[in-house]
Amino acid sequence: GQQLNQSPQSMFIQEGEDVSMNCTSSSIFNTWLWYKQDPGEGPVLLIALYKAGELTSNGRLTAQFGITRKDSFLNISASIPSDVGIYFCGVDSSYKLIFGSGTRLLVRP
Amino acid sequence: DGGITQSPKYLFRKEGQNVTLSCEQNLNHDAMYWYRQDPGQGLRLIYYSQIVNDFQKGDIAEGYSVSREKKESFPLTVTSAQKNPTAFYLCASSPLAASTDTQYFGPGTRLTVL
Repeated sequence: GQQLNQSPQSMFIQEGEDVSMNCTSSSIFNTWLWYKQDPGEGPVLLIALYKAGELTSNGRLTAQFGITRKDSFLNISASIPSDVGIYFCGVDSSYKLIFGSGTRLLVRP
Repeated sequence: DGGITQSPKYLFRKEGQNVTLSCEQNLNHDAMYWYRQDPGQGLRLIYYSQIVNDFQKGDIAEGYSVSREKKESFPLTVTSAQKNPTAFYLCASSPLAASTDTQYFGPGTRLTVL
């Protein structure tokens, strides 16, 4: 089946550092999504991307939809402790969402 | 207070027993979804429903069953045929089946088979 390759699997950073994670696919998708999941909770949508090359920001978060439509990245600037969680990329495929395996972010105060 | 509720939060079951997980939404959404999450993995789609009295298999439907008798409810039954049922189960809904970017997730049910 279709798969998304998300990296890195985990990151342990110092508070205040910037973070970058990305997601790639062998197939073209027309919508890329980024979610955050807090421990024991459901994912929450952070950013949705609809156009190749699009760069979208949501506070300290910035995401880009790759020009080839096969990849996307998410950047978090000036990380804070509440950024801790698992970040998932997702794509829209025939009215269903396909998710990457997630990037676990830990922030050291 | 609008949203999606899942109950119970934690569920234990003995091997060989069927168990039903509840999912209710008061958002008046048409589409509802069930996902399974295993440690270190993303969410995998079990079943989805775009309209009342209709549902479709997702990627890992074997050993599961659903019903959609009411717009606001989409219960999932984990049957004894599911070989490895221990997992975190997430329900989601969206206003329209086509609007996957606006899927809202419930808090999840963690199922443990003893």
